[in-house]
Amino acid sequence: DGGITQSPKYLFRKEGQNVTLSCEQNLNHDAMYWYRQDPGQGLRLIYYSQIVNDFQKGDIAEGYSVSREKKESFPLTVTSAQKNPTAFYLCASSLSGHGYTFGSGTRLTVV
Amino acid sequence: AQSVTQLDSQVPVFEEAPVELRCNYSSSVSVYLFWYVQYPNQGLQLLLKYLSGSTLVKGINGFEAEFNKSQTSFHLRKPSVHISDTAEYFCAVSDKRDGGFKTIFGAGTRLFVKA
Repeated sequence: DGGITQSPKYLFRKEGQNVTLSCEQNLNHDAMYWYRQDPGQGLRLIYYSQIVNDFQKGDIAEGYSVSREKKESFPLTVTSAQKNPTAFYLCASSLSGHGYTFGSGTRLTVV
Repeated sequence: AQSVTQLDSQVPVFEEAPVELRCNYSSSVSVYLFWYVQYPNQGLQLLLKYLSGSTLVKGINGFEAEFNKSQTSFHLRKPSVHISDTAEYFCAVSDKRDGGFKTIFGAGTRLFVKA
């Protein structure tokens, strides 16, 4: 079945450590997105990519980085510059604006 | 500017009762409209979408929504809810700009179905 796979499901980060969240899709979608969700809040866009080797900052890109070397993969790195990284992170893909397919999310906690 | 407002943050309702979750949007161009559902600790799942054509769209799990252009609304309805419908529901609007689609999500409405 086609879909989006996010891993790991749970991730713990120590202070000052960089961590990378994986997102892989086999839907042949061109566009991919990373959102952050905090308790009781909606989704905030971190980064998005419309095509391979190109990506743009979203509304809250500071402290995050991404790459898009393959169509199927859009990993997100949470750097030490992100001062409040504890959140639920969602990856999504879409085809020409016809709605998103979301992964099951990664819950990141700072310890 | 593009925006989405979900008018209710929480909606409690008894099982088998009807429910309406309200969504209003603003955009200066033609839009695509969506409703998503999120169960605890999961990603969002697309319930239904309006792209063009009939203003009444039917989705999964017995939900439907009506696009009202004059009211700039896209309210979600279900005639009889089940306990399993307890979840958070997000309205989203997407329009085409700068060569791609930009999507904005509402803050979400938590539907709580009581026995």
